[in-house]
Amino acid sequence: DGGITQSPKYLFRKEGQNVTLSCEQNLNHDAMYWYRQDPGQGLRLIYYSQIVNDFQKGDIAEGYSVSREKKESFPLTVTSAQKNPTAFYLCATQRTSGRAVEQFFGPGTRLTVL
Amino acid sequence: AQKITQTQPGMFVQEKEAVTLDCTYDTSDPSYGLFWYKQPSSGEMIFLIYQGSYDQQNATEGRYSLNFQKARKSANLVISASQLGDSAMYFCAMRVHGSGNTGKLIFGQGTTLQVKP
Repeated sequence: DGGITQSPKYLFRKEGQNVTLSCEQNLNHDAMYWYRQDPGQGLRLIYYSQIVNDFQKGDIAEGYSVSREKKESFPLTVTSAQKNPTAFYLCATQRTSGRAVEQFFGPGTRLTVL
Repeated sequence: AQKITQTQPGMFVQEKEAVTLDCTYDTSDPSYGLFWYKQPSSGEMIFLIYQGSYDQQNATEGRYSLNFQKARKSANLVISASQLGDSAMYFCAMRVHGSGNTGKLIFGQGTTLQVKP
């Protein structure tokens, strides 16, 4: 099956701990994105990567880090520097060639800081 | 500044009736795309419909149509013949195609739609 997988679905962490959210895709898409969604709100861009070994900060990158060592994978690390990390995190991919008219989203990871 | 505004936090519609969800946008770039996504309670984001700024006709996808009024900078979503499964949160989003295009989507705050039986 082609698609985007995010794991885990639910994640709990203690304050002061770093945690890494997984995002894997087998759609062969070049671009990948991480968004954060707070309750009752729209999505905000954390980081994005348009090609392997390259990534850029989005609108709310502080307290987060990413890597893009493989085309298929774009993990997001929520560090202890992120002041309010409890949120729903969505990973997305997009084709960069042709008329790429949509971004494909994964099922999301719900992170709760205890 | 680039911005999406959805002014309706919540909407109710009777099953089988049509409903319009409002979306206005702001950009100075002449080339952009407008999207609508549906987010059920499970959290996944489901793509519904796309309208390009240079498209001559309003986009339609099954029961979804986009009422694109460029001069007013509005891109309202019309759902015809509402079904109980349409109950969800709906997001309007914009992608600007200018130089340095990142593919980044700018989202509105969303509208929660509840379909009554």
